[in-house]
Amino acid sequence: AQRVTQPEKLLSVFKGAPVELKCNYSYSGSPELFWYVQYSRQRLQLLLRHISRESIKGFTADLNKGETSFHLKKPFAQEEDSAMYYCALSGEDSSYKLIFGSGTRLLVRP
Amino acid sequence: GAVVSQHPSRVICKSGTSVKIECRSLDFQATTMFWYRQFPKQSLMLMATSNEGSKATYEQGVEKDKFLINHASLTLSTLTVTSAHPEDSSFYICSARGGLATQETQYFGPGTRLLVL
Repeated sequence: AQRVTQPEKLLSVFKGAPVELKCNYSYSGSPELFWYVQYSRQRLQLLLRHISRESIKGFTADLNKGETSFHLKKPFAQEEDSAMYYCALSGEDSSYKLIFGSGTRLLVRP
Repeated sequence: GAVVSQHPSRVICKSGTSVKIECRSLDFQATTMFWYRQFPKQSLMLMATSNEGSKATYEQGVEKDKFLINHASLTLSTLTVTSAHPEDSSFYICSARGGLATQETQYFGPGTRLLVL
């Protein structure tokens, strides 16, 4: 079964501390993985995707097929990073459907 | 670019009535639109996939006669919650993909909060 697991509901860190939001997935083929972010009172927006291999707002995520993980990392958290983060998976069936994890709320304290 | 709008942003209705929610891609043509439902403090659950000019594909457990989806044009999809009941109260979000720049990415609407009394 296709599934995305985000084990942490809430992650609280101090400004300047490193951040790692965990994401594990279950999929039998080669999925495409995404991180979406939702800031307070704003719509969901794409943060990054694994095929782009880019860094957005200082965040990076590496797809580890062996561990079926796609953890989101940032070396120095900023207060403006506080938001809800969703990991999502899209399969190989060309339907472009997204399966979302349950989300992790990141709270960056001053 | 790639803006998706939803209307209304919130709606309150009486039990037994039907409610229509619109999802529009404002600056691109959306070949595919998706409808999600989000309960408080929970993740987005895909309800259905809507391709322009064809019938929507519903996810398992979603009643197609309850949640009518129409994707009549490349910029508009509608979700109609028929004979709404209190348990249908939720946050409904649409997303759209299509066009050269947006082909591989889903762009999300701001959501519609439905409260059924």
